Amino acid sequence: QSALTQPRSVSGSPGQSVTISCTGTSSDVGSYSSVSWYRRHPGGAPKLIIYDVTARPSGVPDRFSGSKSGDTASLTISGLQAEDEAEYFCCSDAGSYAWVFGGGTKLTVL
Amino acid sequence: EVQLVESGGGLVQPGGSLRLSCTGSNFIINSKEMTWVRQAPGTGLQWIAYISGSGYTINYADSVKGRFTISRDNAKESLYLQMNSLRAEDTALYYCARARGRMFDFWGQGILVTVSS
Repeated sequence: QSALTQPRSVSGSPGQSVTISCTGTSSDVGSYSSVSWYRRHPGGAPKLIIYDVTARPSGVPDRFSGSKSGDTASLTISGLQAEDEAEYFCCSDAGSYAWVFGGGTKLTVL
Repeated sequence: EVQLVESGGGLVQPGGSLRLSCTGSNFIINSKEMTWVRQAPGTGLQWIAYISGSGYTINYADSVKGRFTISRDNAKESLYLQMNSLRAEDTALYYCARARGRMFDFWGQGILVTVSS
């Protein structure tokens, strides 16, 4: 299983919106509605912020939204805040109790 | 507070073995699907092993199949990863994570494994 492709870095100013893409294949992102996104601050544990492409766990603000088109999923963060500066990872179901993650995207809030 | 805590990491020589443990609180692990995920230096996260709540269903990534063994002890709220025939490319931060559906809803802080002579 090859890793999903994410941009290495993105940036935005406070209040702006940024979108992080996550490109897979027809064997993972394109086949399953089970894309999830995780945020990890330096030294911290990954935290689930989006699951099943568009759903938000309790406690995650609606500034975070997810979508998918074909083999590419996207995470959009609107109203950027300083605390959003972190690394973001996408993950897709790959079938048969297997998963594939993206390479991670470092978000810088300017 | 719900927590997952990994232990057992460290420095090991190539070809050596190491056993990681993951202990949960508040029944976070008990009879739940669990996984191990790792991150090698300069790379993204990589899922490496899955075990069902009963322990009957297990799956591994190709990169560790035949060398790593995932297991669990529900009575002890514990998850394990036995790592044998370790290679330099197994050097990574190892996380245990609870799987719920097809997502991972709780993660540990991670434990570092370094394979080097």
